[in-house]
Amino acid sequence: AQTVTQSQPEMSVQEAETVTLSCTYDTSESNYYLFWYKQPPSRQMILVIRQEAYKQQNATENRFSVNFQKAAKSFSLKISDSQLGDTAMYFCAFMLRRDDKIIFGKGTRLHILP
Amino acid sequence: DTAVSQTPKYLVTQMGNDKSIKCEQNLGHDTMYWYKQDSKKFLKIMFSYNNKELIINETVPNRFSPKSPDKAHLNLHINSLELGDSAVYFCASSPGAEGETQYFGPGTRLLVL
Repeated sequence: AQTVTQSQPEMSVQEAETVTLSCTYDTSESNYYLFWYKQPPSRQMILVIRQEAYKQQNATENRFSVNFQKAAKSFSLKISDSQLGDTAMYFCAFMLRRDDKIIFGKGTRLHILP
Repeated sequence: DTAVSQTPKYLVTQMGNDKSIKCEQNLGHDTMYWYKQDSKKFLKIMFSYNNKELIINETVPNRFSPKSPDKAHLNLHINSLELGDSAVYFCASSPGAEGETQYFGPGTRLLVL
């Protein structure tokens, strides 16, 4: 069975700083996708970034980038120049390529402080 | 226009009642899902439908019955509501091809008293 672990339940950083959220996962399969979703206080689930496991290049979306280490089964999210609007719960998620089912981690609550 | 919409956004009801949550997507996607987010924010899939056909049915009590009248709609009916059903329920949709991103609705907060 696949599992996703986020070891940081809560983090706080000052505005404009860089922050890294950790995520590890466990699977015996080689074809899968990884995601980071953001859930602000509005409750909406918003896709931040998506990584295909067969791609070695780390995905980036503006201030958001990932460090994907396939051998270590690690998928961390880096937020550069953090903004107040980045305050949210962040969920790391895993999906097998052959399957539609997303498995979520328990989330990291991120506070960006003014 | 909202891509994935859910109604209602909030639902407060008594134990034992039957209630429905509706979901609609205007993205032309083939696959739709229901997820449950509990009080500790843990998100877990409940069901998925592809073109009105049930694909995923996780170990969810029989009191929960999804219904897909067409591929743009996936409703969730819950019979005999229990206190433990209190949660936020999210609908999502995706194009249905392998590994495609799922787009979530705004969620329905259900409170059972």
